[in-house]
Amino acid sequence: EAQVTQNPRYLITVTGKKLTVTCSQNMNHEYMSWYRQDPGLGLRQIYYSMNVEVTDKGDVPEGYKVSRKEKRNFPLILESPSPNQTSLYFCASSALRDPRSPLHFGNGTRLTVT
Amino acid sequence: QQQVKQSPQSLIVQKGGISIINCAYENTAFDYFPWYQQFPGKGPALLIAIRPDVSEKKEGRFTISFNKSAKQFSLHIMDSQPGDSATYFCAAPINAGGTSYGKLTFGQGTILTVHP
Repeated sequence: EAQVTQNPRYLITVTGKKLTVTCSQNMNHEYMSWYRQDPGLGLRQIYYSMNVEVTDKGDVPEGYKVSRKEKRNFPLILESPSPNQTSLYFCASSALRDPRSPLHFGNGTRLTVT
Repeated sequence: QQQVKQSPQSLIVQKGGISIINCAYENTAFDYFPWYQQFPGKGPALLIAIRPDVSEKKEGRFTISFNKSAKQFSLHIMDSQPGDSATYFCAAPINAGGTSYGKLTFGQGTILTVHP
């Protein structure tokens, strides 16, 4: 089954403790992206990647890091999480060759930073 | 800055009614306008999309209307059903060297509730 898999689904952590949210897709997609969803603000893009070793900032990159060492994986790293990063996070992918192909989203990771 | 502004933030409709969600954009480089539907506990999924060279696109009970001069596009859900209750997002990708999916901007989202 074609899918984007995020782990974990829920994460509670404390300020300053480094964490990684994993994202993997099995559709051989070139494009991958991370979003955060907050009430009243919609989905805001954090980082995106057009291909392996190619990443770029979205609209809200501060406090986040990403890497794209393999085509299928695109982990999101919070080196020193803060309470304002409490949010619902989504990873997504699409086939870059078809610029109008749909984004496929994972089921989200709900992060709470205390 | 929010490049796509969506309204209303929430919408309550009776079963069988028409749901209308609006989006306005500023960047004329946008060349593709998708709508995504999100059910609780799930990620968004593509519902319907339109290109700016057409003024309307219909798929079943869902219709996108596009007004290029006003820089607005809207989603109409005819004969709304309780199963349509979800959060809806409009979006617009910025054309990046021939590929549309560089930065992808979403609207703020509309929570639709359809009462039986």
